[in-house]
Amino acid sequence: EPEVTQTPSHQVTQMGQEVILRCVPISNHLYFYWYRQILGQKVEFLVSFYNNEISEKSEIFDDQFSVERPDGSNFTLKIRSTKLEDSAMYFCASSDSQPNEKLFFGSGTQLSVL
Amino acid sequence: GQQLNQSPQSMFIQEGEDVSMNCTSSSIFNTWLWYKQDPGEGPVLLIALYKAGELTSNGRLTAQFGITRKDSFLNISASIPSDVGIYFCAGRLGTNAGKSTFGDGTTLTVKP
Repeated sequence: EPEVTQTPSHQVTQMGQEVILRCVPISNHLYFYWYRQILGQKVEFLVSFYNNEISEKSEIFDDQFSVERPDGSNFTLKIRSTKLEDSAMYFCASSDSQPNEKLFFGSGTQLSVL
Repeated sequence: GQQLNQSPQSMFIQEGEDVSMNCTSSSIFNTWLWYKQDPGEGPVLLIALYKAGELTSNGRLTAQFGITRKDSFLNISASIPSDVGIYFCAGRLGTNAGKSTFGDGTTLTVKP
């Protein structure tokens, strides 16, 4: 079965550093999403992306965050200047159509900001 | 923003027992979703509900979309050890498939 892949699985960074989290969505999917899950807490929507632009974003997704689809296969989340509270598991997801509910999630990148 | 209250927070049951968990919201949703998350993995969609009153099954799982559109429950019958994991409800009001509000999760432990 096709899957969403995320790299790296773990990322440790110093506060104030920039990080880029990478995702390869399923190849024929058109809609892409990022979520985060702080340890022991609920999954939170960050942003959705379609047709090379952000379609919707949450209050969490402030100016420190950006997303990009630099080529036909990758979908990245950049955090410009990481804060301690950015430590979380970040999940990428993709779907082939809206309002298709079948989102396929990656295994996540665990980001630790020290 | 919208808040979901999911209960119970955790459950410890014996293999073969039935399980029930639910979510309530102070505001309405147009879609209710139930996900399962295994350790170290992303959530996997179990059931999606689109109409108030709808009752949908997926194998041993049954979920219902409450009539008031403010609640949903998930039942698991005859639990097995591989049912272990965290179950999340999620509600959606708009048309963006990904912009769901998630509950806090129910951690299920099944003792063989």
